[in-house]
Amino acid sequence: QVTLRESGPALVKPTQTLTLTCTFSGFSLSTLGMCVSWIRQPPGKALEWLALIDWDDVKYYSPSLKTRLSISKDTSKNQVVLTMTNMDPVDTATYYCTRSPLPGGFDFWGQGTLVTVSS
Amino acid sequence: SYELTQPPSVSVSPGQTARITCSADALPKQFAYWYQQKPGQAPVQVIYKDTERPSGIPERFSGSSSGTTVTLTISGVQAEDEADYYCQSADISGAHRVFGGGTKLTVL
Repeated sequence: QVTLRESGPALVKPTQTLTLTCTFSGFSLSTLGMCVSWIRQPPGKALEWLALIDWDDVKYYSPSLKTRLSISKDTSKNQVVLTMTNMDPVDTATYYCTRSPLPGGFDFWGQGTLVTVSS
Repeated sequence: SYELTQPPSVSVSPGQTARITCSADALPKQFAYWYQQKPGQAPVQVIYKDTERPSGIPERFSGSSSGTTVTLTISGVQAEDEADYYCQSADISGAHRVFGGGTKLTVL
């Protein structure tokens, strides 16, 4: 049974750095072709892909946000961590962690965590 | 930046067929995926690799592809199908995933 769970602060201040952790079970991120992605959704708006890390520790980022994002993994702990710097109120969104096996879809999702950016 | 284009809304009566399109230049070279999202819930994948249906997804959901357009078809729409639907693919490099803007399906 595949599960993913996001954890992190519900509230961050503008200019702060957001750190989110995805803890997963039911699959291994060291398996060939396996990846984990982060996706966000501002209230009432569309989904936006943020970043992906693959089994070989290769990382991809949204071109529009790549200067602010960093993704990493701890395979032994079954965790993937996303950091986003210089947070702004427009970054207020529900952040989802997803399993994303090649070639490219997102087949399992966490329940999401709402992050609000406000002073 | 690379974009997938979907209609903002589609309306159908129960029992009819709903078709939601998604267009982009790289779709002939990259697989498309479809997700259903109901209010307050995480998205659920309903179609993968253009035409495949995950286990547990009703047979009334199907996907097709023609050139730069992919289509999600829901045959015999039910009230429970009312939701937002998102297409997703990758840019021509395959490195960057991208979502369409979403289509709100209303069951009249």
